[in-house]
Amino acid sequence: TQLLEQSPQFLSIQEGENLTVYCNSSSVFSSLQWYRQEPGEGPVLLVTVVTGGEVKKLKRLTFQFGDARKDSSLHITAAQPGDTGLYLCAGATSGNTPLVFGKGTRLSVIA
Amino acid sequence: GAGVSQSPSNKVTEKGKDVELRCDPISGHTALYWYRQSLGQGLEFLIYFQGNSAPDKSGLPSDRFSAERTGGSVSTLTIQRTQQEDSAVYLCASSLSVNQPQHFGDGTRLSIL
Repeated sequence: TQLLEQSPQFLSIQEGENLTVYCNSSSVFSSLQWYRQEPGEGPVLLVTVVTGGEVKKLKRLTFQFGDARKDSSLHITAAQPGDTGLYLCAGATSGNTPLVFGKGTRLSVIA
Repeated sequence: GAGVSQSPSNKVTEKGKDVELRCDPISGHTALYWYRQSLGQGLEFLIYFQGNSAPDKSGLPSDRFSAERTGGSVSTLTIQRTQQEDSAVYLCASSLSVNQPQHFGDGTRLSIL
């Protein structure tokens, strides 16, 4: 069974602080995606990383895929209250199986 | 273009009643998924459909839960004889194929009294 472990589970920080959340597995994934879910809505795709070592930036968010394609991190610079939400990572295998989702990191950014 | 649409957005029903939840996926998406999310928790996989293949029902928590997808498009999730522990948000997602990024609806919030 492929598992994605996300850490921390919960994170509460002040506006303007930096943070990093992690997504780890013992399995290799062909790609990895990050989603953000806000209250009352479904998760929304933020980014897909495909190549080992790949780094993608989305404004103040930086996503990195591990060299071995087993782990990923999301770094947020100067967090804002609008970043509050549940961050989910999901891994894709090369087979005909659906994405494996982590349990998420719940981020709260306090003004 | 239209995203994934779920209805109803909220459903309140009495214990023991049956409920049907509907999902309209994005046109052209061959894969469709149902998840359950309890308050403050992550996603619990329930079932997925891929094209005309038999659905993967491995996540359904009991035989009170069933789902169908008619004509490769709209899907309904049915919960029979609802219990209070069935209270949760039920999310539907679709994707171009099974390991592609998923597009989610906003869910149906189900409350069992």
